[in-house]
Amino acid sequence: QITLKESGPTLVKPTQTLTLTCTFSGFSLSTSGVGVGWIRQPPGKALEWLALIYWDDDKRYSPSLKSRLTITKDTSKNQVVLTMTNMDPVDTATYYCAHRPGVFAFDIWGQGTMVTVSS
Amino acid sequence: QSALTQPASVSGSPGQSITISCTGTSSDVGGYNYVSWYQQHPGKAPKLMIYDVSNRPSGVSNRFSGSKSGNTASLTISGLQAEDEADYYCSSYTSSSTLEVFGGGTKLTVL
Repeated sequence: QITLKESGPTLVKPTQTLTLTCTFSGFSLSTSGVGVGWIRQPPGKALEWLALIYWDDDKRYSPSLKSRLTITKDTSKNQVVLTMTNMDPVDTATYYCAHRPGVFAFDIWGQGTMVTVSS
Repeated sequence: QSALTQPASVSGSPGQSITISCTGTSSDVGGYNYVSWYQQHPGKAPKLMIYDVSNRPSGVSNRFSGSKSGNTASLTISGLQAEDEADYYCSSYTSSSTLEVFGGGTKLTVL
């Protein structure tokens, strides 16, 4: 059974750096074709694709946020970490991590973690 | 503004069929068979309903089906049930540097 869980601060101040950790089980990020992605959703708004890391360390970022995002993986710990610099109130959202199997879709999602950006 | 265009809302009565459209371009929906659909109930994480345009993951009801024509993908739900009331999002591979884009979401109301 595949599960993912996001963790990190619930409140960050403007200009601070956000670090979110996705801890997963039931699969290995060293398996060919597998990836883990990050998606966010501001309150009452649509999903927004942020970043994705594949088993071979291939990394993809949203062009509009690329300068602020870094995604890394620790295969031994079954974790994927997303950092976002220079946080702003518009970054207030629920942040999800999700499993990318060998097909082009996110088949299992974490429960999400709400992050509020406020001074 | 989302890269893929979906109607803001659709509605239907129990037992009826509805279709939700997802319009992109030849650089995404029209160019590749990598369209997915997600269902999201309030306060819950999205759930994958369709991948690769028309494939259903194990456990998803066969009342849900997907198709594509040109630059528009569609999700059809037949035999509407109250539990189908939710937000639905499409996504697609894109040849731009984004890799993947979501639609703006469609709120389905079961009357």
